Amino acid sequence: GENVEQHPSTLSVQEGDSAVIKCTYSDSASNYFPWYKQELGKGPQLIIDIRSNVGEKKDQRIAVTLNKTAKHFSLHITETQPEDSAVYFCAATPGTGNQFYFGTGTSLTVIP
Amino acid sequence: DVKVTQSSRYLVKRTGEKVFLECVQDMDHENMFWYRQDPGLGLRLIYFSYDVKMKEKGDIPEGYSVSREKKERFSLILESASTNQTSMYLCATDGGLNYGYTFGSGTRLTVV
Repeated sequence: GENVEQHPSTLSVQEGDSAVIKCTYSDSASNYFPWYKQELGKGPQLIIDIRSNVGEKKDQRIAVTLNKTAKHFSLHITETQPEDSAVYFCAATPGTGNQFYFGTGTSLTVIP
Repeated sequence: DVKVTQSSRYLVKRTGEKVFLECVQDMDHENMFWYRQDPGLGLRLIYFSYDVKMKEKGDIPEGYSVSREKKERFSLILESASTNQTSMYLCATDGGLNYGYTFGSGTRLTVV
């Protein structure tokens, strides 16, 4: 099955700086890559996603890039704010059966 | 918005007890999933279901079973709870690749 690796496991940045979280996947059949944000005491929430026919997608301060050849994708958060502090998960799915495979998470702390 | 409701936020159960975790979604989604979340391990799939009375094993089904008698309800059952089943349990539903997963808020189960 698919194997998704995520780095770093923890990340601290100063408010206003950028944060980058990277994931790699193993199954070349994977074609959908969502990112989730989990705040304390809550379930993960979808914040952005990208499909394999697109190389980059942006939504305000959040962007995701995908390199299918290298099988890696990254989450970029610019102008970070304290409310961006959370655990972020990447995921990949080959689309068959809709089972998602998750990375192990990145705990992001934005220091005011 | 899709709403996924998990009946309990916190549960404390004794070793050997039979435990039921309930999940209800308010959309007409066929796909429902149960994950457990542990520090450093990310989200691991226990069971999933594509339709009423259908179930499929995920990556870590041992010690668990599921029930889906109605489309909107997906129950996770710990037949005989053990301390290594202490974890955060997350239910999710999937409306297709246009939506990704929607998660419930989670149930933090402690087995003593």
